[in-house]
Amino acid sequence: AQSVAQPEDQVNVAEGNPLTVKCTYSVSGNPYLFWYVQYPNRGLQFLLKYITGDNLVKGSYGFEAEFNKSQTSFHLKKPSALVSDSALYFCAVRDRRGSSNTGKLIFGQGTTLQVKP
Amino acid sequence: DGGITQSPKYLFRKEGQNVTLSCEQNLNHDAMYWYRQDPGQGLRLIYYSQIVNDFQKGDIAEGYSVSREKKESFPLTVTSAQKNPTAFYLCASSIVPSGQETQYFGPGTRLLVL
Repeated sequence: AQSVAQPEDQVNVAEGNPLTVKCTYSVSGNPYLFWYVQYPNRGLQFLLKYITGDNLVKGSYGFEAEFNKSQTSFHLKKPSALVSDSALYFCAVRDRRGSSNTGKLIFGQGTTLQVKP
Repeated sequence: DGGITQSPKYLFRKEGQNVTLSCEQNLNHDAMYWYRQDPGQGLRLIYYSQIVNDFQKGDIAEGYSVSREKKESFPLTVTSAQKNPTAFYLCASSIVPSGQETQYFGPGTRLLVL
């Protein structure tokens, strides 16, 4: 069965410091991996995705994520955090095989990022 | 949120009442999805539709129903059989329902029980 784990409910960083939001996954085949951000009472906004190729994926708002197949991880990173980055972040996975043609995404439970001035 | 609209923003349901949440997209996407979001649980798939006049149950379909009569519209009805409907409901769409396609989300509807 597919699953996604975001081991930290909350991550606190100071503005200007680098940030990392962790994600590990479990799929039977090779994964498609996604990161979304959600601001309070809003829908999810797409940040970036890994499909194939370069393990380092660059996305919106200066975020990037590194796909590590051996560690089954897809951690979200940013070199210098902004107060405006404070939000809820979701990692999601989809297996390339089996249910991939249904488009079904499996989401982690979310990590709240708090960036303090 | 652009391209996908959900209404209303807030919805109140009385016990025993069916309510319908609207989702419309102008992105010409074939696939549409409904998710339920509860605090600390991430998003769970209720129903999805890959094409007009076709839809499938997701992981938590009990107490919900949908229709897909038009490509642009995928309304969700929360029936009286759904005993714990209080949640944030998110609609999403993608160009086609394939693995690598990105799903784009609407702004959500918060359903509260009176």
